[in-house]
Amino acid sequence: EIVLTQSPATLSLSPGERATLSCRASQSVGSYLAWYQQKPGQAPRLLIYDASNRATGIPARFSGSGSGTDFTLTISSLEPEDFAVYYCQHRSNSMYTFGQGTKLEIK
Amino acid sequence: EVQLLESGGGLVQPGGSLRLSCVASGFTFSTYAMSWVRQAPGKGLEWVSGISADATASYYADSVKGRFTISRDESKNTLYLQMNSLGADDTAVYYCAKASAPPSWFDPWGQGTLVTVSS
Repeated sequence: EIVLTQSPATLSLSPGERATLSCRASQSVGSYLAWYQQKPGQAPRLLIYDASNRATGIPARFSGSGSGTDFTLTISSLEPEDFAVYYCQHRSNSMYTFGQGTKLEIK
Repeated sequence: EVQLLESGGGLVQPGGSLRLSCVASGFTFSTYAMSWVRQAPGKGLEWVSGISADATASYYADSVKGRFTISRDESKNTLYLQMNSLGADDTAVYYCAKASAPPSWFDPWGQGTLVTVSS
């Protein structure tokens, strides 16, 4: 079973700053990694698929990178609406695994 | 517009049963795998169960195997989750989600339905 570990658990930044979120897999997942954003009381929203592809309608300030076991979600310049919880996710053997999440909070 | 609308959540006693439904619209339901994902209060996301596009294969997390059954009705564009022998640990918001083709990620998700297991 592949385990996804996200860091940090909480990231405190100010609007306009750059955010860097990490997701590490316990074994190689190739480029098969997705990122989601979840705001309080809302369903998760797909941001990035296949490690680096932005989903439809996702602003260009969101970018994903990495392959193998180490992945990064970068938000180039934080907007007020970006403060939320972010999850990474992988599918293996018809099962899906999520990281435990990174909470991005306003400093 | 692709939409997923869950229903069927509520309060149930420990040991009880509940069936969740998810009505899909805006896409050809029969050509996509679907899943249920849950989120306990204040916790992260946990994949619960998935079903193939043609309904020939279904998959379960170890935490629900033998208690939950996923199914789909193409004539009604509806995904189901039959939940039996419910315990307090099953208390969560349950989301249905459309898988990509081939299955790898989820987009979109429904708004969720809350299941509370309590006496």
